[in-house]
Amino acid sequence: AQSVAQPEDQVNVAEGNPLTVKCTYSVSGNPYLFWYVQYPNRGLQFLLKYITGDNLVKGSYGFEAEFNKSQTSFHLKKPSALVSDSALYFCAVRDGRSGNTGKLIFGQGTTLQVKP
Amino acid sequence: EAGVTQFPSHSVIEKGQTVTLRCDPISGHDNLYWYRRVMGKEIKFLLHFVKESKQDESGMPNNRFLAERTGGTYSTLKVQPAELEDSGVYFCASSLGRVNEKLFFGSGTQLSVL
Repeated sequence: AQSVAQPEDQVNVAEGNPLTVKCTYSVSGNPYLFWYVQYPNRGLQFLLKYITGDNLVKGSYGFEAEFNKSQTSFHLKKPSALVSDSALYFCAVRDGRSGNTGKLIFGQGTTLQVKP
Repeated sequence: EAGVTQFPSHSVIEKGQTVTLRCDPISGHDNLYWYRRVMGKEIKFLLHFVKESKQDESGMPNNRFLAERTGGTYSTLKVQPAELEDSGVYFCASSLGRVNEKLFFGSGTQLSVL
């Protein structure tokens, strides 16, 4: 069965420190991986995606994510957190066999709290 | 450019009543999706329109849910009759339909069934 796991409900980090939001996945075909962020009272916004190529993907707002096939992980990272990064983060995967579709499987979401 | 618009932003109804949610996608986006997040859990796919046609409705919970997209523009999602377990946030998203492109999401409709 296809699934995405975000093992942490909440991640707390001090401003200026590096942050990591974890994500692991399970799909049958090639994984196409995405991170979205939801700020309060807003819709989900696309951060970055991994389709193929370099395992380190750079995205919006200074975020990056590392694809690790052997560990089936796609952790989101940022070298120096900002208070404004505080939001709800969702990891998602699309099975490469499902054709050209936006049908995504999402994780439960991780709340990132960055304290000054 | 206007984003994906959903309304109402909040709806509180009693069990057994009917509610209709509306989504206006970004102009020109043929692909429209409905997703739902229940009780702080994962966001789950409901269905996918390509223009006015239902491409995939495998995520629709049951026949109390009816989605339409007449004319291939805006879409409605009707729940009739609503049950307590239908409470959650309903998201709409749209895209042009290119391979592996990002989705543009609306702010969602918070539905509370009492």
